[in-house]
Amino acid sequence: DAGVTQSPTHLIKTRGQQVTLRCSPISGHKSVSWYQQVLGQGPQFIFQYYEKEERGRGNFPDRFSARQFPNYSSELNVNALLLGDSALYLCASSPDNYYGYTFGSGTRLTVV
Amino acid sequence: KNQVEQSPQSLIILEGKNCTLQCNYTVSPFSNLRWYKQDTGRGPVSLTIMTFSENTKSNGRYTATLDADTKQSSLHITASQLSDSASYICVVSATDDYKLSFGAGTTVTVRA
Repeated sequence: DAGVTQSPTHLIKTRGQQVTLRCSPISGHKSVSWYQQVLGQGPQFIFQYYEKEERGRGNFPDRFSARQFPNYSSELNVNALLLGDSALYLCASSPDNYYGYTFGSGTRLTVV
Repeated sequence: KNQVEQSPQSLIILEGKNCTLQCNYTVSPFSNLRWYKQDTGRGPVSLTIMTFSENTKSNGRYTATLDADTKQSSLHITASQLSDSASYICVVSATDDYKLSFGAGTTVTVRA
């Protein structure tokens, strides 16, 4: 059974550009959460989606947006990239809102 | 405010030795506690997950304990191997909050 799949694994963008990160949850998992992890720090919560509805948003600017599709996959969009957006972006899926989160391997975003 | 504190911040051990990592939390109402292993630049991988009624859980050479009364958990690594070098993160869930509370992690370095 496939785990949580994230794509791309790495990408480099320039300041001001826009980026879309993708996440495919484990089959049967209806909850997807996004986290930003800056080097040397713990993950910071960005969004959670459950059954295609946004259930929570962390303390991130409106440049960050996300959505969940009918097949429960999800996209995270970041507009007007800043150097400080450089980080590892993690997606985690769960069958419900609370138990058994499984993380993907992450997307390493570098903004230059 | 839900918080998770881990100690030590980092440690170095010799291959074959044991070590214990600590996690103290103030998350309430408590749902479950997980220990993850995170290699540099990769997503966290679950080692153990414990609910309120569980006080010990093992996964190979990893043994986690939970004292829900004192709100403390530990992760014991037995007979360390070079591949154990990683960051170990304690993550706590509350029953009424979809957001996970992350500790800052303990960086373990195993030397030959």
